[in-house]
Amino acid sequence: AQSVTQLGSHVSVSEGALVLLRCNYSSSVPPYLFWYVQYPNQGLQLLLKYTSAATLVKGINGFEAEFKKSETSFHLTKPSAHMSDAAEYFCAVSEDEGGKLIFGQGTELSVKP
Amino acid sequence: GAVVSQHPSWVICKSGTSVKIECRSLDFQATTMFWYRQFPKQSLMLMATSNEGSKATYEQGVEKDKFLINHASLTLSTLTVTSAHPEDSSFYICSASATDRKNQPQHFGDGTRLSIL
Repeated sequence: AQSVTQLGSHVSVSEGALVLLRCNYSSSVPPYLFWYVQYPNQGLQLLLKYTSAATLVKGINGFEAEFKKSETSFHLTKPSAHMSDAAEYFCAVSEDEGGKLIFGQGTELSVKP
Repeated sequence: GAVVSQHPSWVICKSGTSVKIECRSLDFQATTMFWYRQFPKQSLMLMATSNEGSKATYEQGVEKDKFLINHASLTLSTLTVTSAHPEDSSFYICSASATDRKNQPQHFGDGTRLSIL
C-alpha cells in the first residue's frame, strides 16, 4: 500500500522568501512522486514529477523537489516566493506514471507582501 | 499540451435528482480515466478508475449504484450521481491517462462543483 503525508496544513512565507513544503511517502514498490498545485475552484496542475531518473527534479514556475530514498521524502522548494504562488499544494504517489494517485492532505501556501 | 475538459463546472439541483458529469480528453485518447472527490479544505479521494469498454473499478466505500460511471469511448467518461442528496455535495474532479503516450502523467479537468439543495 502507498501513502503520503504532508507536514503542515498551512505554510505562510513572505514574498521573496524560501518556500519549503514537506512530503513524506510510504511505498512497497519504487514510487512515482508528483507535486500538484490547485487554485480555488480549479483542477490540478502538475508542477513536477519524479520517475526514477534524476533525484533532483525541476518543475514549472521555479519549483523543484528532491527525492531522498533514505528519508522517504520528496520536499518541494522554491528559492523566492511570489504572490502568485499562493495556492493549495498536493503531493501524490503512484505505482506508475499514469496510474491512480494517492494524495497527501494538502498544504495551503500563503504569501505575505 | 494535453487537455481534459469537464462539464458542467457548476451545478445546483434539488435533492433526489440525478446529475451527470462529463469528462472529455480533447486532444488525446484515454484508455483510463479517474474520478476524484474533494470536500472543502480537504484532499482528493479517488472514487473509481474508469476503463474504456469495461466496468469501472470502485474504491472501497464508494457506492457503485450511487455513482454510476460509463466510459463508452476513448475520449469520454461520465459520472452520474443518482438520487443526489445534500451529503453528495462536493467538488468532483476527473483525470485522464493517455493511451498512446506511455509514461505520461494524468491530466486533470477543472472540476465540477455539485450543490444539492
